[in-house]
Amino acid sequence: RKEVEQDPGPFNVPEGATVAFNCTYSNSASQSFFWYRQDCRKEPKLLMSVYSSGNEDGRFTAQLNRASQYISLLIRDSKLSDSATYLCVSDTGRRALTFGSGTRLQVQP
Amino acid sequence: NAGVTQTPKFRVLKTGQSMTLLCAQDMNHEYMYWYRQDPGMGLRLIHYSVGEGTTAKGEVPDGYNVSRLKKQNFLLGLESAAPSQTSVYFCASRRTGNYGYTFGSGTRLTVV
Repeated sequence: RKEVEQDPGPFNVPEGATVAFNCTYSNSASQSFFWYRQDCRKEPKLLMSVYSSGNEDGRFTAQLNRASQYISLLIRDSKLSDSATYLCVSDTGRRALTFGSGTRLQVQP
Repeated sequence: NAGVTQTPKFRVLKTGQSMTLLCAQDMNHEYMYWYRQDPGMGLRLIHYSVGEGTTAKGEVPDGYNVSRLKKQNFLLGLESAAPSQTSVYFCASRRTGNYGYTFGSGTRLTVV
């Protein structure tokens, strides 16, 4: 079983929709989490850090449930430019972060 | 700030050739990493370094070597390239503490 698991998608949603991705982690030592966005053939870029119960930045909200060991990312009012792969990342205190395989989002006009 | 810079951006190698990928960061980050990304496989850690002069193996280290002689540079070497090493290679760096990575823009390597 992978330490960080994500639904690969794709999630196909219309513009303006609200979409949520879930990510589960198996290592209870995970201290903090990150959501990265990766556009096709580009490098991953940090979208949001999650250190406690959650974080909000504009249209993006991340929530952490330590009891159930999952993190969610909610995107409101989806834009065409939100189309990308979203990577869930766990920090267990080891030197390297642990990446999920990503969830692909396609926002359609 | 340039952040993390990778060179070259593209390269085609013949089987058996060698090459070195360079990663340079100007953020004074302690930690540096090399990943490869293949379709459907996600990011896989090759090697990493927690400081100048130190390196460690990641998930898929075979066929690669690394060196970190200066804090700002992390080199990835392929001694004898194989077609299985065709991939996109990303370098990343990170400061100490609970912080995320900053990635370079990647190197697309094709081994024929």
